[in-house]
Amino acid sequence: QIQLVQSGPELKKPGESVKISCKASGYTFTDYAMHWVKQAPGKGLKWMGWINTYTGKPTYADDFKGRFVFSLEASASTANLQISNLKNEDTATYFCARGEILDYWGQGVMVTVSS
Amino acid sequence: DVVLTQTPPTLSATIGQSVSISCRSSQSLLDSDGDTYLNWLLQRPGQSPQLLIYSVSNLESGVPNRFSGSGSETDFTLKISGVEAEDLGVYYCMQATHAPLTFGSGTKLEIK
Repeated sequence: QIQLVQSGPELKKPGESVKISCKASGYTFTDYAMHWVKQAPGKGLKWMGWINTYTGKPTYADDFKGRFVFSLEASASTANLQISNLKNEDTATYFCARGEILDYWGQGVMVTVSS
Repeated sequence: DVVLTQTPPTLSATIGQSVSISCRSSQSLLDSDGDTYLNWLLQRPGQSPQLLIYSVSNLESGVPNRFSGSGSETDFTLKISGVEAEDLGVYYCMQATHAPLTFGSGTKLEIK
């Protein structure tokens, strides 16, 4: 069956970096884009952007340009999100989601940024 | 950016009751290819979102047929015909016609 399994929770200090992974299984990884979505505690969903899993080209929403990097390990059917120079407002759960219609979602990764 | 306004923000229903959630868009979501990329998702407490409906009215595989979607251009509705206990959570509409992809602010469904 189709699954997106994300890495575990992270506790970081301001200024540090974090890398989150999203491992896909049950389908051909390069056939579907991968989207990233942020959910701050108690808040709604915010789209961060997406990566073309065939070409590796990322597209970032305006609020996520600069410190955020989408990457792939295509041979491992894995998409990654790296956030550098972490800020308190990056505290959130980060989801990966498959394809144009976001039909499958990872379980989410809680990233806590605190000094 | 396209703004999606969901109403009501909260909804309280009894088991078996039928309810509707509205999603209004600041722009038409009819794409130049003829499709309308308006989806509905449910996020149950402590879980990741789940796709219910895509392209306005198409039921995602495995989703009960008590869920239905309708609408066009800027006005869309999700209807649950006979709420069940497992339907509690936050419902989001989402559009992918215009970049950037945007979500509504959510409607929380509570079970009385």
